[in-house]
Amino acid sequence: GAVVSQHPSWVICKSGTSVKIECRSLDFQATTMFWYRQFPKQSLMLMATSNEGSKATYEQGVEKDKFLINHASLTLSTLTVTSAHPEDSSFYICSARYDSQETQYFGPGTRLLVL
Amino acid sequence: LAKTTQPISMDSYEGQEVNITCSHNNIATNDYITWYQQFPSQGPRFIIQGYKTKVTNEVASLFIPADRKSSTLSLPRVSLSDTAVYYCLVGDILWVNDMRFGAGTRLTVKP
Repeated sequence: GAVVSQHPSWVICKSGTSVKIECRSLDFQATTMFWYRQFPKQSLMLMATSNEGSKATYEQGVEKDKFLINHASLTLSTLTVTSAHPEDSSFYICSARYDSQETQYFGPGTRLLVL
Repeated sequence: LAKTTQPISMDSYEGQEVNITCSHNNIATNDYITWYQQFPSQGPRFIIQGYKTKVTNEVASLFIPADRKSSTLSLPRVSLSDTAVYYCLVGDILWVNDMRFGAGTRLTVKP
């Protein structure tokens, strides 16, 4: 149980385009979802936290107008990288948790390459 | 928010027991300790979680001393497939955005 999926797993796009990444909890209702970014050989960096039906809470230094997060249902959250640039190339990972459970379940990640 | 400190890297050989220690001197009363494993190009995978004393599951054991200022992840009889980065996290389950990753420990298991 507690499976989180992400789509796509790989995306290559041109600079200036927007990319949408989906995060789904397959067998549980995720009241809270998290988005992380990881650059090569570095740790995961929390970008934002989203609760279903509410606006996401962004970490300091993360541009909310560039990284649009929507958590419209208890099983789906989306991260849209708007006007992507090469420096946005990274590994984006989502996680989800439900109710009062303390454990986060992570998705497999999405690798974004902006040319 | 309790900051965690782990060794950057560790080497081991197949069949050995590996212990990775994490320091969290500022751990708060409501904080839990969680360990994750991450393989390259994959999302982190939950290994074990505890609050105090010892916790054991089919994968690992977690030892937490009485003062809770540190914790030790114990992996019995590691194999090559255990080569990964291991992250220690400390956070209050009531603060949903309190899970932040430290640098992690890169474990390399050699044949």
